[in-house]
Amino acid sequence: GAVVSQHPSRVICKSGTSVKIECRSLDFQATTMFWYRQFPKKSLMLMATSNEGSKATYEQGVEKDKFLINHASLTLSTLTVTSAHPEDSSFYICFGGGASNYGYTFGSGTRLTVV
Amino acid sequence: KQEVTQIPAALSVPEGENLVLNCSFTDSAIYNLQWFRQDPGKGLTSLLLIQSSQREQTSGRLNASLDKSSGRSTLYIAASQPGDSATYLCAVRSLRGTNAGKSTFGDGTTLTVKP
Repeated sequence: GAVVSQHPSRVICKSGTSVKIECRSLDFQATTMFWYRQFPKKSLMLMATSNEGSKATYEQGVEKDKFLINHASLTLSTLTVTSAHPEDSSFYICFGGGASNYGYTFGSGTRLTVV
Repeated sequence: KQEVTQIPAALSVPEGENLVLNCSFTDSAIYNLQWFRQDPGKGLTSLLLIQSSQREQTSGRLNASLDKSSGRSTLYIAASQPGDSATYLCAVRSLRGTNAGKSTFGDGTTLTVKP
């Protein structure tokens, strides 16, 4: 089945630095990638939707300049948390698929800790 | 807008008991419903994926059912074990509207199985 490989699975960074999270579709072309974030003791909330070759669409309240999403190829989408602050510490996960709407799959997630 | 509710929010049972977790959703126009497990501080593990045309899926001691018309899904865990302790999340992928193609998560049920 479709596999989305997400890296890193866990990262600790200092305040003010930037962190890039990658999601690669291993055996299919991911035309669309959704990015989610989980707040402590809360559910996962959709941050943005990216389509290959175009700008991402951000959900209300999500800072697009802080959470940079790039989907330059059909097999790679990236989320960069810029100038990270401790409040950005969270669990981030991608969800991608291609032509078939029944073939979407989740990455394994990235736990970001900003110290 | 799709809304997903999971009841109960927390559940504690003695080892060996059979139990049912509930997930309800407001818009029945869905591609699929997926159950996940999340251990504290860890990522998501996909347990069962039910397509909109299916009524149930089984994997080992787990059985998930889907009643699309009533907007409900249940996750049945047989002969619970302490290792089943985790938070269980359901996610519904919408077919139409502003959420078309996106997955909406419930807040999860935190299960504790006592030895």
